Amino acid sequence: GESVGLHLPTLSVQEGDNSIINCAYSNSASDYFIWYKQESGKGPQFIIDIRSNMDKRQGQRVTVLLNKTVKHLSLQIAATQPGDSAVYFCAERTGGSYIPTFGRGTSLIVHP
Amino acid sequence: KAGVTQTPRYLIKTRGQQVTLSCSPISGHRSVSWYQQTPGQGLQFLFEYFSETQRNKGNFPGRFSGRQFSNSRSEMNVSTLELGDSALYLCASSPGLNNEQFFGPGTRLTVL
Repeated sequence: GESVGLHLPTLSVQEGDNSIINCAYSNSASDYFIWYKQESGKGPQFIIDIRSNMDKRQGQRVTVLLNKTVKHLSLQIAATQPGDSAVYFCAERTGGSYIPTFGRGTSLIVHP
Repeated sequence: KAGVTQTPRYLIKTRGQQVTLSCSPISGHRSVSWYQQTPGQGLQFLFEYFSETQRNKGNFPGRFSGRQFSNSRSEMNVSTLELGDSALYLCASSPGLNNEQFFGPGTRLTVL
Protein backbone atom coordinates (compact mmCIF):
# COMPACT_ATOMS: atom_id res chain seq x y z
CA GLY A 1 0.00 0.00 0.00
CA GLU A 2 0.91 3.68 -0.05
CA SER A 3 3.14 5.18 2.59
CA VAL A 4 1.75 8.63 3.16
CA GLY A 5 3.78 9.80 6.10
CA LEU A 6 7.32 8.58 6.72
CA HIS A 7 8.03 11.06 9.50
CA LEU A 8 4.74 11.30 11.33
CA PRO A 9 4.12 11.27 15.06
CA THR A 10 2.97 7.82 16.04
CA LEU A 11 0.50 6.69 18.66
CA SER A 12 0.54 3.01 19.60
CA VAL A 13 -2.34 1.59 21.63
CA GLN A 14 -3.75 -1.78 22.59
CA GLU A 15 -7.03 -2.96 21.17
CA GLY A 16 -9.85 -1.84 23.43
CA ASP A 17 -8.03 1.20 24.78
CA ASN A 18 -9.24 4.73 24.14
CA SER A 19 -7.09 6.80 21.78
CA ILE A 20 -6.59 10.54 21.78
CA ILE A 21 -5.05 12.24 18.75
CA ASN A 22 -4.14 15.89 19.02
CA CYS A 23 -3.86 18.69 16.51
CA ALA A 24 -2.75 22.29 16.90
CA TYR A 25 -4.01 24.77 14.36
CA SER A 26 -2.52 28.12 13.54
CA ASN A 27 -5.26 30.39 12.22
CA SER A 28 -7.42 31.93 14.92
CA ALA A 29 -9.92 32.89 12.21
CA SER A 30 -10.56 29.24 11.31
CA ASP A 31 -14.17 28.38 11.97
CA TYR A 32 -14.62 24.88 10.63
CA PHE A 33 -12.56 21.79 11.44
CA ILE A 34 -12.55 18.28 10.03
CA TRP A 35 -10.89 15.03 11.01
CA TYR A 36 -9.91 12.58 8.28
CA LYS A 37 -8.68 8.99 8.39
CA GLN A 38 -6.33 7.70 5.72
CA GLU A 39 -5.62 4.00 5.44
CA SER A 40 -2.73 2.65 3.45
CA GLY A 41 -3.44 2.78 -0.27
CA LYS A 42 -6.55 4.91 0.11
CA GLY A 43 -7.50 8.55 0.07
CA PRO A 44 -8.53 10.43 3.22
CA GLN A 45 -11.97 9.58 4.55
CA PHE A 46 -14.16 12.05 6.46
CA ILE A 47 -14.66 11.08 10.12
CA ILE A 48 -16.25 14.00 11.91
CA ASP A 49 -16.39 17.78 11.77
CA ILE A 50 -17.02 20.64 14.18
CA ARG A 51 -17.77 24.31 13.81
CA SER A 52 -16.16 26.97 15.95
CA ASN A 53 -19.40 27.74 17.79
CA MET A 54 -19.13 24.32 19.45
CA ASP A 55 -16.51 22.83 21.75
CA LYS A 56 -17.53 19.17 21.53
CA ARG A 57 -19.19 16.91 19.03
CA GLN A 58 -19.79 13.18 19.22
CA GLY A 59 -20.12 10.55 16.55
CA GLN A 60 -20.06 6.81 16.58
CA ARG A 61 -17.12 5.89 18.86
CA VAL A 62 -15.49 9.24 18.09
CA THR A 63 -15.55 12.59 19.85
CA VAL A 64 -13.95 15.81 18.68
CA LEU A 65 -13.01 18.49 21.19
CA LEU A 66 -12.20 22.05 20.20
CA ASN A 67 -10.33 24.51 22.42
CA LYS A 68 -10.26 27.82 20.62
CA THR A 69 -8.36 29.54 23.40
CA VAL A 70 -5.24 27.50 22.75
CA LYS A 71 -6.13 26.60 19.14
CA HIS A 72 -6.20 22.91 19.83
CA LEU A 73 -8.31 20.12 18.41
CA SER A 74 -8.44 16.52 19.56
CA LEU A 75 -10.02 13.33 18.29
CA GLN A 76 -10.98 10.69 20.82
CA ILE A 77 -11.63 7.15 19.62
CA ALA A 78 -13.34 4.87 22.11
CA ALA A 79 -12.56 1.17 22.33
CA THR A 80 -9.96 1.35 19.58
CA GLN A 81 -9.96 -1.55 17.13
CA PRO A 82 -7.26 -2.86 14.76
CA GLY A 83 -9.31 -1.46 11.88
CA ASP A 84 -8.73 2.01 13.30
CA SER A 85 -5.04 1.76 12.41
CA ALA A 86 -4.41 4.57 9.93
CA VAL A 87 -3.06 8.10 9.61
CA TYR A 88 -5.37 10.75 11.05
CA PHE A 89 -5.38 14.34 9.78
CA CYS A 90 -7.07 17.42 11.06
CA ALA A 91 -8.02 20.15 8.62
CA GLU A 92 -9.11 23.72 9.24
CA ARG A 93 -11.08 26.09 7.08
CA THR A 94 -11.69 29.80 7.39
CA GLY A 95 -15.07 31.39 6.75
CA GLY A 96 -15.45 32.34 3.11
CA SER A 97 -12.71 29.99 1.99
CA TYR A 98 -13.45 26.55 0.59
CA ILE A 99 -9.81 25.56 0.82
CA PRO A 100 -8.91 23.39 3.81
CA THR A 101 -5.46 23.49 5.39
CA PHE A 102 -4.34 20.08 6.58
CA GLY A 103 -2.21 19.18 9.57
CA ARG A 104 0.74 16.84 9.20
CA GLY A 105 -1.08 13.81 10.53
CA THR A 106 -0.63 11.22 13.25
CA SER A 107 -0.12 7.53 12.63
CA LEU A 108 -2.28 5.38 14.90
CA ILE A 109 -1.18 1.79 15.40
CA VAL A 110 -3.56 -0.54 17.20
CA HIS A 111 -2.08 -3.76 18.55
CA PRO A 112 -4.42 -6.75 18.89
CA LYS B 1 -22.91 4.59 -6.08
CA ALA B 2 -19.32 4.31 -7.31
CA GLY B 3 -16.71 6.38 -5.49
CA VAL B 4 -14.16 8.77 -6.90
CA THR B 5 -11.88 7.04 -9.38
CA GLN B 6 -8.44 8.13 -10.44
CA THR B 7 -6.30 6.90 -13.29
CA PRO B 8 -3.64 5.80 -13.53
CA ARG B 9 -2.93 4.57 -10.00
CA TYR B 10 0.82 4.53 -10.51
CA LEU B 11 3.04 6.42 -12.91
CA ILE B 12 6.77 6.74 -13.44
CA LYS B 13 8.16 9.64 -15.45
CA THR B 14 11.54 11.28 -15.95
CA ARG B 15 12.51 14.87 -15.33
CA GLY B 16 11.39 17.27 -18.01
CA GLN B 17 8.45 15.16 -19.15
CA GLN B 18 4.83 16.12 -18.69
CA VAL B 19 2.01 14.09 -17.19
CA THR B 20 -1.79 14.10 -17.22
CA LEU B 21 -3.81 12.59 -14.38
CA SER B 22 -7.51 11.87 -14.57
CA CYS B 23 -10.30 11.98 -12.00
CA SER B 24 -13.90 10.84 -12.30
CA PRO B 25 -16.06 12.25 -9.50
CA ILE B 26 -18.98 10.58 -7.81
CA SER B 27 -22.03 10.71 -10.06
CA GLY B 28 -23.87 13.98 -9.52
CA HIS B 29 -20.93 15.76 -7.92
CA ARG B 30 -19.99 18.97 -9.67
CA SER B 31 -16.97 20.09 -7.68
CA VAL B 32 -13.55 18.49 -8.05
CA SER B 33 -10.47 19.43 -6.03
CA TRP B 34 -6.89 18.27 -6.44
CA TYR B 35 -4.29 17.85 -3.70
CA GLN B 36 -0.63 16.91 -3.57
CA GLN B 37 0.52 14.71 -0.71
CA THR B 38 4.19 14.28 0.21
CA PRO B 39 5.93 13.10 3.40
CA GLY B 40 7.64 16.47 3.75
CA GLN B 41 4.77 18.87 3.08
CA GLY B 42 1.74 16.75 3.87
CA LEU B 43 -1.51 17.41 2.03
CA GLN B 44 -1.53 20.61 0.01
CA PHE B 45 -4.38 22.08 -2.03
CA LEU B 46 -3.71 22.49 -5.74
CA PHE B 47 -6.98 23.74 -7.26
CA GLU B 48 -10.73 23.33 -7.31
CA TYR B 49 -13.10 23.21 -10.27
CA PHE B 50 -16.83 23.70 -10.33
CA SER B 51 -18.97 23.75 -13.45
CA GLU B 52 -15.88 23.66 -15.67
CA THR B 53 -14.40 26.77 -14.03
CA GLN B 54 -11.42 26.97 -11.72
CA ARG B 55 -12.80 28.48 -8.51
CA ASN B 56 -9.81 28.31 -6.21
CA LYS B 57 -6.08 27.82 -6.65
CA GLY B 58 -3.36 26.87 -4.21
CA ASN B 59 0.20 28.11 -4.10
CA PHE B 60 1.77 26.00 -6.85
CA PRO B 61 3.74 27.10 -9.92
CA GLY B 62 2.14 27.47 -13.32
CA ARG B 63 3.53 24.08 -14.36
CA PHE B 64 0.52 22.66 -12.53
CA SER B 65 -2.73 23.11 -14.39
CA GLY B 66 -6.09 21.48 -14.63
CA ARG B 67 -9.42 21.48 -16.31
CA GLN B 68 -12.92 20.14 -15.86
CA PHE B 69 -15.19 18.78 -18.53
CA SER B 70 -18.94 19.16 -18.92
CA ASN B 71 -19.49 15.73 -17.33
CA SER B 72 -17.54 16.97 -14.26
CA ARG B 73 -14.58 14.70 -14.96
CA SER B 74 -11.31 16.49 -14.33
CA GLU B 75 -7.72 16.26 -15.44
CA MET B 76 -4.61 17.81 -14.01
CA ASN B 77 -1.40 18.32 -15.93
CA VAL B 78 2.12 18.84 -14.72
CA SER B 79 4.64 20.04 -17.29
CA THR B 80 8.43 19.98 -17.13
CA LEU B 81 8.46 17.50 -14.28
CA GLU B 82 10.93 17.92 -11.43
CA LEU B 83 12.10 15.35 -8.89
CA GLY B 84 10.17 17.22 -6.22
CA ASP B 85 6.91 16.57 -8.04
CA SER B 86 7.04 12.95 -6.89
CA ALA B 87 3.97 12.62 -4.72
CA LEU B 88 0.55 11.11 -4.25
CA TYR B 89 -1.96 13.22 -6.17
CA LEU B 90 -5.43 13.06 -4.68
CA CYS B 91 -8.70 14.09 -6.23
CA ALA B 92 -11.78 14.84 -4.15
CA SER B 93 -15.32 15.46 -5.31
CA SER B 94 -18.28 17.10 -3.62
CA PRO B 95 -21.84 17.92 -4.65
CA GLY B 96 -21.02 21.62 -4.71
CA LEU B 97 -18.69 24.16 -3.21
CA ASN B 98 -18.31 24.13 0.58
CA ASN B 99 -19.63 20.56 0.88
CA GLU B 100 -18.04 17.45 2.38
CA GLN B 101 -15.34 16.12 0.08
CA PHE B 102 -14.94 12.49 -0.92
CA PHE B 103 -11.43 11.47 -1.86
CA GLY B 104 -10.23 9.03 -4.49
CA PRO B 105 -7.38 6.58 -3.90
CA GLY B 106 -4.82 8.84 -5.55
CA THR B 107 -2.24 8.54 -8.30
CA ARG B 108 1.29 7.81 -7.14
CA LEU B 109 3.67 9.77 -9.41
CA THR B 110 7.38 9.01 -9.28
CA VAL B 111 9.76 11.30 -11.14
CA LEU B 112 13.21 9.87 -11.87
